[in-house]
Amino acid sequence: DAGVIQSPRHEVTEMGQEVTLRCKPISGHDYLFWYRQTMMRGLELLIYFNNNVPIDDSGMPEDRFSAKMPNASFSTLKIQPSEPRDSAVYFCASSLGHSYNEQFFGPGTRLTVL
Amino acid sequence: QQPVQSPQAVILREGEDAVINCSSSKALYSVHWYRQKHGEAPVFLMILLKGGEQKGHEKISASFNEKKQQSSLYLTASQLSYSGTYFCGTGEYGGSQGNLIFGKGTKLSVKP
Repeated sequence: DAGVIQSPRHEVTEMGQEVTLRCKPISGHDYLFWYRQTMMRGLELLIYFNNNVPIDDSGMPEDRFSAKMPNASFSTLKIQPSEPRDSAVYFCASSLGHSYNEQFFGPGTRLTVL
Repeated sequence: QQPVQSPQAVILREGEDAVINCSSSKALYSVHWYRQKHGEAPVFLMILLKGGEQKGHEKISASFNEKKQQSSLYLTASQLSYSGTYFCGTGEYGGSQGNLIFGKGTKLSVKP
């Protein structure tokens, strides 16, 4: 199994630019999670989907952030416009069945906004 | 409400034992434990559900005291490979089912 795939692995952009992060969950998994990790705040859940439907987006910081899951094998997290405080590692994770189950994390995307 | 982990960091010699605690002010139905090595993604260790259960995974085990809203991770006879940052993630009653709230982590360093 390929595991959760994220792209790009590293992204450096300038303030004000649009950033799109991509995730392919493990085949057959029906839950998908987006997390952000910083030294200050630790690992924060931004949004999660069940069967491609957003269930809880209360962790999304503000309207600049949006996430979509057009099908079971692909999700995007978009930041528009980006700001330096968005710099962080963004992880995507997926799980099978109940949301209590083990979450498999992707390798993450390290975002730097200059 | 972010759970509180203690200690924040611990240094061990190979073969020594360690305990990492996770405490919440909210009623919990589950506690998840993950380990993250530097520059890598978090990796699942175990889940504990309500009922005060204990679980073991080789020389790593954990307990969950639902009444005290606390969980502890026990690492015995530590190995170099145990080094990393350990996170607990808590599932709260009244919260969104999939919403795990992670603590800030405990950094464990095992020295030869």
